[in-house]
Amino acid sequence: GESVGLHLPTLSVQEGDNSIINCAYSNSASDYFIWYKQESGKGPQFIIDIRSNMDKRQGQRVTVLLNKTVKHLSLQIAATQPGDSAVYFCAVNTGGFKTIFGAGTRLFVKA
Amino acid sequence: NAGVMQNPRHLVRRRGQEARLRCSPMKGHSHVYWYRQLPEEGLKFMVYLQKENIIDESGMPKERFSAEFPKEGPSILRIQQVVRGDSAAYFCASSPGTLDQPQHFGDGTRLSIL
Repeated sequence: GESVGLHLPTLSVQEGDNSIINCAYSNSASDYFIWYKQESGKGPQFIIDIRSNMDKRQGQRVTVLLNKTVKHLSLQIAATQPGDSAVYFCAVNTGGFKTIFGAGTRLFVKA
Repeated sequence: NAGVMQNPRHLVRRRGQEARLRCSPMKGHSHVYWYRQLPEEGLKFMVYLQKENIIDESGMPKERFSAEFPKEGPSILRIQQVVRGDSAAYFCASSPGTLDQPQHFGDGTRLSIL
C-alpha cells in the first residue's frame, strides 16, 4: 500500500522568507498529488495539486515540485506571511479516488 | 456556493450512546469520504462512498461504525455504543466523479465522549 511521510514535523521561518515543506511517498504508481493547509479548528483546505506527468506547478505564492525518480514532493511558499501559519499535508492518489494523507508539517511564521 | 457542510460541529456523548455525524457534499459532487483525526495527527481514511454504495470501507472499524450515503439527503457516519477512544475530529470530504480532482473538506465534527 501507499505510505506518505514528511521529513520535518515542524518548520519555523521568518516572515518574508521562503518556506519549503517536503514529502516522501513510497508507491511509484502514485499519479496525483495534492497539498492541503489546515488551520486550527478547521478542515483541510486545498492549496495546489500536480499530476504525475508534470514536475512543477505554480500558483499564487506557492510552487509544487515533483521528483518521481526519488518519490519526493515539495511545497514552496514565497514571502511567507503570518497567515501561512498552519499544518500542511501532502496527499497522494494511486490510480483511483482514494487519497492517502501524510502526517503533516506545522509551519510557524515568526514576525 | 456552499462548500461541504458538516453538522453538528461539536457533539458530546456518554459512553454507550450513539453518535450520528452528518455531511452534505458540495453541489455536483457524487463522492463522499470520511476521515478521523486525533490531535496533532494526520487524517486517517475511514470510508469512501458514492450515492447508495460503499466503495471502500477498509479504514473503518468492523464493529460499531457504519456509514451511508442515501439517494436523498446527507451522508451519515454512525458510531454505536461509543467509547472514550472514539473521541476525535471526524472530517467529511467530497469530490466530483472524475479522477485527478481534489477533495474538498468540511470543518469537521468534534466528538467528545464523557
